[in-house]
Amino acid sequence: SQKIEQNSEALNIQEGKTATLTCNYTNYSPAYLQWYRQDPGRGPVFLLLIRENEKEKRKERLKVTFDTTLKQSLFHITASQPADSATYLCALDIVYKLSFGAGTTVTVRA
Amino acid sequence: GAVVSQHPSWVICKSGTSVKIECRSLDFQATTMFWYRQFPKQSLMLMATSNEGSKATYEQGVEKDKFLINHASLTLSTLTVTSAHPEDSSFYICSASLVSTDTQYFGPGTRLTVL
Repeated sequence: SQKIEQNSEALNIQEGKTATLTCNYTNYSPAYLQWYRQDPGRGPVFLLLIRENEKEKRKERLKVTFDTTLKQSLFHITASQPADSATYLCALDIVYKLSFGAGTTVTVRA
Repeated sequence: GAVVSQHPSWVICKSGTSVKIECRSLDFQATTMFWYRQFPKQSLMLMATSNEGSKATYEQGVEKDKFLINHASLTLSTLTVTSAHPEDSSFYICSASLVSTDTQYFGPGTRLTVL
């Protein structure tokens, strides 16, 4: 069965630094991978989608990489701000459905 | 654009009663809507996929007679939790997409507490 792992449950970081989150998966080759942000008690908000033939995608201070050989995606938040504090979820399309990782909670200290 | 709403945002009910949750796409027509459940500190788990005008497709282990899904229009899907029990207490989130393989836009979620 497919397995999606996000590197750590929690990540604490100083404001201004870069946060790097990892999403690893096994037993599947997704056509694309997505990253979402989820605040407590709220639904996920779509951030970025990267396709299997793309190595890197950027959106403002966010950068996502996708290595289909390593079966890994990295999600970077550069120049982090306290407002970036949230849980970040990776999701893979598996047979036209999204399968989510458990998420990494990022806390940015001022 | 691509706003999805859910109603109610939270609900408390007694064990044995039924609860209906609505999911609406406000500014687009959703060919497919999805229902997820999320327990504390856990991942979103897909419960079912529904296409307008057809029966929902339930994931393995999800009781279709307990979680009734209706997708009567391109902007509205409802999830009814029948004969709710305390173990059904969870955060229920819907999402909508234009095409089943496209980006999903999520609603704000509904917190269900069954006493």
